[in-house]
Amino acid sequence: KQEVTQIPAALSVPEGENLVLNCSFTDSAIYNLQWFRQDPGKGLTSLLLIQSSQREQTSGRLNASLDKSSGRSTLYIAASQPGDSATYLCAVRQNSGGYQKVTFGTGTKLQVIP
Amino acid sequence: DAGVTQSPTHLIKTRGQHVTLRCSPISGHKSVSWYQQVLGQGPQFIFQYYEKEERGRGNFPDRFSARQFPNYSSELNVNALLLGDSALYLCASSLAGTDLYEQYFGPGTRLTVT
Repeated sequence: KQEVTQIPAALSVPEGENLVLNCSFTDSAIYNLQWFRQDPGKGLTSLLLIQSSQREQTSGRLNASLDKSSGRSTLYIAASQPGDSATYLCAVRQNSGGYQKVTFGTGTKLQVIP
Repeated sequence: DAGVTQSPTHLIKTRGQHVTLRCSPISGHKSVSWYQQVLGQGPQFIFQYYEKEERGRGNFPDRFSARQFPNYSSELNVNALLLGDSALYLCASSLAGTDLYEQYFGPGTRLTVT
């Protein structure tokens, strides 16, 4: 059974800092990994999608890396801003018994202090 | 273009009742997935549909069922509601049913079971 863990569960940083969020998964046989942000009471916004054959993806101040063999992904946020405050979730997609299955982590709640 | 839409926004039901949640994907998207998110946890995958066929399934009881219509919209049905079914139900759409495409989420339906 796939288990996805995100550390830390919560993080508070001053504005302008660079930071790293971690995501680890127990079964490395994945199709892809996707990072999302979720604002309180809202749906999820896709940030980055990394296919299993890729090592990293970049979008603006965000950079996500994937090390499938070790079961790890990191989301790097450069020059953090108060608007980055949200919960960040990672999710892995894989084949399970002939079906596709998506497993989310429990998230990292980020607070960027002005 | 409109994003993923879900209805209703909020819903209050009594234990033992039945509920139907609806989702309209982004125009041109043919795959819809459903997730349950209990407060403080990451989303749990329920179903994925593509071209009106079930392509993915999570670990949920048979009380949960779904279908996809010819226009690619989808319904999630839950029978014999339990208090533990109280959650935010999220719908996501993607271009196709494969792993290559990002998922885009709707705002969710908040279900409260009393």
